[in-house]
Amino acid sequence: ETGVTQTPRHLVMGMTNKKSLKCEQHLGHNAMYWYKQSAKKPLELMFVYNFKEQTENNSVPSRFSPECPNSSHLFLHLHTLQPEDSALYLCASSRISVSTDTQYFGPGTRLTVL
Amino acid sequence: GQQVMQIPQYQHVQEGEDFTTYCNSSTTLSNIQWYKQRPGGHPVFLIQLVKSGEVKKQKRLTFQFGEAKKNSSLHITATQTTDVGTYFCAGVPRSSNTGKLIFGQGTTLQVKP
Repeated sequence: ETGVTQTPRHLVMGMTNKKSLKCEQHLGHNAMYWYKQSAKKPLELMFVYNFKEQTENNSVPSRFSPECPNSSHLFLHLHTLQPEDSALYLCASSRISVSTDTQYFGPGTRLTVL
Repeated sequence: GQQVMQIPQYQHVQEGEDFTTYCNSSTTLSNIQWYKQRPGGHPVFLIQLVKSGEVKKQKRLTFQFGEAKKNSSLHITATQTTDVGTYFCAGVPRSSNTGKLIFGQGTTLQVKP
């Protein structure tokens, strides 16, 4: 499936680094999401964008900064992360941001913070 | 807070055996969705249930939504090695004003050939 792509697929960074994760969807959707998936924990919704506007910030620390320049692209800017931020970061998109819409997930970025 | 719990967390079965995972919510849900994540992969949508008592089938997979819309189950008949992966349920509390999906922890299925 290539509907939702994420780069990079793997990222190792130090706590003082600044990096960005990129997500692109080719499905013509208007809603995009960032999720965090840690071992043995449920998928945690981080941010929701609907028609480029942020509609949900699930109490995410400010060291994670999202950006949605258009409906097809979503970024997650990272700075001064902690080792406990190591996880799989998944991007998803849906037609619009309503509960009955199917979410299509990207392959994820496996992030390791040293 | 609102939670969606899944049991069991892990299940090992012999190929050909049946498998069931259960999803329980602390509150009434508007709908429930099921996703499958293969090892090393990402969640892929399987199905959505909306109506109380709804039952849907996809080949060997049977999905149920409870009468009270607080629980759901996924049953796989005669498992195959291709069924290996983690199955997640996700629901939206009926009281939610954001429509945000709440995911369960998932049930990881291992199938021995």
